[in-house]
Amino acid sequence: AQSVTQLDSQVPVFEEAPVELRCNYSSSVSVYLFWYVQYPNQGLQLLLKYLSGSTLVKGINGFEAEFNKSQTSFHLRKPSVHISDTAEYFCAVSVTDKLIFGTGTRLQVFP
Amino acid sequence: EPEVTQTPSHQVTQMGQEVILRCVPISNHLYFYWYRQILGQKVEFLVSFYNNEISEKSEIFDDQFSVERPDGSNFTLKIRSTKLEDSAMYFCASRGDRTSYEQYFGPGTRLTVT
Repeated sequence: AQSVTQLDSQVPVFEEAPVELRCNYSSSVSVYLFWYVQYPNQGLQLLLKYLSGSTLVKGINGFEAEFNKSQTSFHLRKPSVHISDTAEYFCAVSVTDKLIFGTGTRLQVFP
Repeated sequence: EPEVTQTPSHQVTQMGQEVILRCVPISNHLYFYWYRQILGQKVEFLVSFYNNEISEKSEIFDDQFSVERPDGSNFTLKIRSTKLEDSAMYFCASRGDRTSYEQYFGPGTRLTVT
């Protein structure tokens, strides 16, 4: 069965600092990988996706993620965060048709 | 930019009552989904729908749940007899076609069962 693990439930960081949100997945077949962001009291917004090709994918709001097949990871990074990046971030894997989500990482950016 | 919409934004109902959550997927999208997120927990898949039938459903999606696409624009989730544990945020999502894998989510309906 496929699963997604987000090791950090919370990540506090100061504004303008770099950040990495970790995501590991398990699957016996090829997967498609996604990062979604959920701002307070809002729905899920797609940040970026990996389907195939280049292992470094760039998304909206300056985020990027790197797919590492050997480590079954898809970590999300941003070189310099803003206060407005404070949100819940979900890693997800798609195998058949559904998305399987991780438990989420709350990114808290402090001034 | 086209988006998925959901109504109502918040629904309060008494245990045992029926509720219908409504979604308008992005126009021309072919695949539709419902997910739920219990407070403080992760987002969980409920059901996927394509070509006017369920293509996959989770263990959560028991006989109390049903989905319908009554016309060319709406996609509904019905819970026949709500339980306290049905309290959650329910998200609708849609996907374009077989070659596009990203799902676009609506803002959610917060269901509170008392």
